[in-house]
Amino acid sequence: KAGVTQTPRYLIKTRGQQVTLSCSPISGHRSVSWYQQTPGQGLQFLFEYFSETQRNKGNFPGRFSGRQFSNSRSEMNVSTLELGDSALYLCASSLGESSGANVLTFGAGSRLTVL
Amino acid sequence: AQSVAQPEDQVNVAEGNPLTVKCTYSVSGNPYLFWYVQYPNRGLQFLLKYITGDNLVKGSYGFEAEFNKSQTSFHLKKPSALVSDSALYFCAVRDRSSGSARQLTFGSGTQLTVLP
Repeated sequence: KAGVTQTPRYLIKTRGQQVTLSCSPISGHRSVSWYQQTPGQGLQFLFEYFSETQRNKGNFPGRFSGRQFSNSRSEMNVSTLELGDSALYLCASSLGESSGANVLTFGAGSRLTVL
Repeated sequence: AQSVAQPEDQVNVAEGNPLTVKCTYSVSGNPYLFWYVQYPNRGLQFLLKYITGDNLVKGSYGFEAEFNKSQTSFHLKKPSALVSDSALYFCAVRDRSSGSARQLTFGSGTQLTVLP
């Protein structure tokens, strides 16, 4: 069974640009959550999508957005990139909604460097 | 609000010795608790979780964790460490009762180094 697939794995952008990251969940999983991982802030929750609807959102500015498609694949977009957006962006999927005792299965991440 | 504290940024242990990675949590209700491990250039991998019942939870790769409600702790343990256990370990919590705190809140992580 294929795991959570994130593309691209690495990318470099310059300030002011925008970026789109993609996540394909485990087959059959309907929930996708996104996290930002940085050395200073650790793992911070961005948002969660379930059945194409945003169910929960973390404390990030509106430059960070996402969506989920009918096949459960998800994308996140960051506009007007800032140096502080450099991070590892992790996607995680779960069978049901990201709640309770449900376990998240993580992808390997997309490492974004903003110059 | 829910939160997790991992008081040690770094834990070093000799191979073959027991290891403990500490975690304390704060929730308004009762918790669901998780441990994940991250190897370099990889995502997080699930190790174990506490839902209810037995306070000692057994997980993958010989790891176990002990839930202590009075101390609000969920320390990760392994009787005999392996060099291959060297990785970054994250504790995480969800508040069982809060509808708004659905997301998993992670601790800051503890880098475990097992010395040969």
